[in-house]
Amino acid sequence: QSLLTQPPSASGTPGQRVTISCSGSNSNIGSNTVHWYRQVPGTAPQLLIHSNTQRPSGVPGRFSGSRSDTSASLAITGLQSEDEADYFCATWDDILDCYVFGTGTKVTVL
Amino acid sequence: QAQLGQSGAEVKKPGSSVRVSCTVPGGTGNTHLISWVRQAPGRGLEWLGGIILVFRNTKYAKKFQGRLTLTADTSTATAHMELSSLTFDDTAVYYCARGAVLNAIVGNWYDSWGQGTQVIVSS
Repeated sequence: QSLLTQPPSASGTPGQRVTISCSGSNSNIGSNTVHWYRQVPGTAPQLLIHSNTQRPSGVPGRFSGSRSDTSASLAITGLQSEDEADYFCATWDDILDCYVFGTGTKVTVL
Repeated sequence: QAQLGQSGAEVKKPGSSVRVSCTVPGGTGNTHLISWVRQAPGRGLEWLGGIILVFRNTKYAKKFQGRLTLTADTSTATAHMELSSLTFDDTAVYYCARGAVLNAIVGNWYDSWGQGTQVIVSS
């Protein structure tokens, strides 16, 4: 069972803003930076956000991340059809001493 | 980002072992972390462990300690994952992923991934 809880699904119409939450604890999000990955089914995950808020080069500016205490969020502004994918948060857990992923959120563009 | 190349699909019997390879661009003096992540059918992502290529420092998730072995061949810049005592629950796509921060296991994130290797455990 994952230590990081995400809503199973999120949706919006093109142009809307969608946010995905990631809830953890002091041993993971509360102590370490959070990263976000995007995965189109059948393909490998791709890095979207690292170090809570940092976008790698090539990631559109409509993706943004934040962290507060033991939770983190990913926001997609100006939703586009190509944003349909699964999104996973991740971080290090100091108690398990391993990298942990969130349960994943499927984003649907209506 | 540089893409990692993985070995092909495998079908294994319960109780046997599987070895998956991952070729890492960047040469033989590579201080990158290479971690292994798996995804069972219809499920989320699970981290198995990681290895710093050139130093061969390893860290394993507790769940896999005792049956997971990560090795690195620095002459070919290739990382290998061997998982033993396979059960049906080990059926998954196994990915290798490169850490963005050099020479670090803790606190890293993954900026380049292999294409995935399907491992099927079937009797």
